[in-house]
Amino acid sequence: DAKTTQPPSMDCAEGRAANLPCNHSTISGNEYVYWYRQIHSQGPQYIIHGLKNNETNEMASLIITEDRKSSTLILPHATLRDTAVYYCILGSSNTGKLIFGQGTTLQVKP
Amino acid sequence: DAMVIQNPRYQVTQFGKPVTLSCSQTLNHNVMYWYQQKSSQAPKLLFHYYDKDFNNEADTPDNFQSRRPNTSFCFLDIRSPGLGDAAMYLCATSRVVGGAGEQFFGPGTRLTVL
Repeated sequence: DAKTTQPPSMDCAEGRAANLPCNHSTISGNEYVYWYRQIHSQGPQYIIHGLKNNETNEMASLIITEDRKSSTLILPHATLRDTAVYYCILGSSNTGKLIFGQGTTLQVKP
Repeated sequence: DAMVIQNPRYQVTQFGKPVTLSCSQTLNHNVMYWYQQKSSQAPKLLFHYYDKDFNNEADTPDNFQSRRPNTSFCFLDIRSPGLGDAAMYLCATSRVVGGAGEQFFGPGTRLTVL
């Protein structure tokens, strides 16, 4: 079973920041927080991951709380092409398996 | 560009008729995964190969088999497809199991069972 909880859907205005929350209160010490997204009818696409520290790349920023029980994915300037299902996943450093939850459907509106 | 390729993109088969889906990668990654994604659901891991070592998920039906003849190719065999096996099948690769390795996904094969 997925170990993360995400809101089923969110809206965001084009050009504004999209902040997608994720709860993972039962995260264990060797689990990373991964974010993937899936645009309709395509394979999932890796966005970012982190263990303890906040991370930033060209796509997004990942903010992980100090207790690691929740995190937020930030898309700084959302575009219409960012409309997708966003999955927050805990990935084991031992097995590498990704157990997908239901994700958040982000709708970016003009 | 290095990538994960799945063929065909769309596959139609008849109830009970064996079908094989293929995946190839140019990334030279150790690990290859197969996921099943039914309509409006999240991807579900079926099994993965670490090099030639096969790792089956506990709840993957026996109807699903896999072969990995070499590093680049991996096949998903469905021995007797049922109507409930209609889904998108996703192949993914990663360089290592575990750690902080990201998975690279192919575009998927959409299977229809008539």
